Amino acid sequence: AQRVTQPEKLLSVFKGAPVELKCNYSYSGSPELFWYVQYSRQRLQLLLRHISRESIKGFTADLNKGETSFHLKKPFAQEEDSAMYYCALSGQNTGNQFYFGTGTSLTVIP
Amino acid sequence: DTGVSQNPRHKITKRGQNVTFRCDPISEHNRLYWYRQTLGQGPEFLTYFQNEAQLEKSRLLSDRFSAERPKGSFSTLEIQRTEQGDSAMYLCASSLGATNTGELFFGEGSRLTVL
Repeated sequence: AQRVTQPEKLLSVFKGAPVELKCNYSYSGSPELFWYVQYSRQRLQLLLRHISRESIKGFTADLNKGETSFHLKKPFAQEEDSAMYYCALSGQNTGNQFYFGTGTSLTVIP
Repeated sequence: DTGVSQNPRHKITKRGQNVTFRCDPISEHNRLYWYRQTLGQGPEFLTYFQNEAQLEKSRLLSDRFSAERPKGSFSTLEIQRTEQGDSAMYLCASSLGATNTGELFFGEGSRLTVL
């Protein structure tokens, strides 16, 4: 069965420190992985997807099929990174669904 | 185009009443999704439309829930005989494309409180 696990509900880091938000998944086949972000009082929006292999707002995420992980990383956290982050999974075996994790609330302490 | 629009933003109702939510997707988007989100959880899939056809429904969706997308434009989600367990944020999202790997554009959500 398809599943996305985000083990940390809350994560606090100091400004300028590295940050890593963990995401593990369960999927048979080739998954499409995404990170969505929700800033305070804003709607949920796409941050990045693994097929794009791009860095958005300094964040990167690498799909590790061996470890079934798609961790989100940023070398130097900024206060404006404080938000709720959701890892999401899709693919040919998910029907037409996107599966979301339970989310990690990131707080960057000034 | 201001993005995906949902109405009403908040709805408080008494148990047993019917409620309807409306979603206006981004105009050229052919795919429309409804999700439900409760406190501390991620968005949970409810149903999906491609144009006017409802192609997928979650097994979690009881027969009290019905969704439509007439003419492949806006969509409505109706909940009949509401229960307290229906209290949640109902999110609508739309996307463009032939596969389910495109970016989802979310609305701001409709928050339902059932007393």
